[in-house]
Amino acid sequence: IVLTQSPDVLSLSPGETATLSCRASQGSPRSSVSWYQKKPGQSPRLVISDVFKRATGIPDRFSGSGSGTDFTLTISSVEPADFAVYYCHYHGSSPWTFGQGTQVEVK
Amino acid sequence: QAQVRESGGDVVQPGRSLRLSCGGSGFDFWDYSIHWVRQAPGKGLEWVALISYDGSNKFYRDSVRGRFTISRDNRNKVVFLQMDGLRVEDTAMYFCAKVMNTNRYSAPQTWGQGTMVTVSP
Repeated sequence: IVLTQSPDVLSLSPGETATLSCRASQGSPRSSVSWYQKKPGQSPRLVISDVFKRATGIPDRFSGSGSGTDFTLTISSVEPADFAVYYCHYHGSSPWTFGQGTQVEVK
Repeated sequence: QAQVRESGGDVVQPGRSLRLSCGGSGFDFWDYSIHWVRQAPGKGLEWVALISYDGSNKFYRDSVRGRFTISRDNRNKVVFLQMDGLRVEDTAMYFCAKVMNTNRYSAPQTWGQGTMVTVSP
């Protein structure tokens, strides 16, 4: 399964809503798509698991949705700490794959 | 609190070998599958390999299969990534990650800080 994220770069001002898309090349019966936040010099941080489950400590402005081949990460009212690269990840079967990433940057 | 920590990264010449280690603490190490994921400079995340909780199942991406070997020692709570025949394109920060629950297809949840591997002539 190949994951394609869009857009590659999302330029936003704090307080705006970020909508990140992840499209899979084929559907899977498992809800095995998760989202990670990655900042330079840091390890990836799990944000959303299994399409919509917020990870421990993740604020409720982060939400995930989708099914089949189309998945979305939404960040409502983006805060300065949210500017980072976000990766979707398929973990339902081998080979595990990541999307190419969406950079959320300050406008 | 569950933690994993990588070690073993270095600068090596093409064709040489390197062994990375991933130590775990704060959880029942023997119950969880462990991933290796890498990130080349300026590039995105790339899944490398996974080993099941008991070491009986191992999975690799195509570009490393036959060159890399993943293994584990549950008594000492460590996972290894033996990298042979290293190529310049293997240059990356290597992260290990513990999955969320005892299902190997659960999301990677706990990540280490990474160890840098540089392959250069």
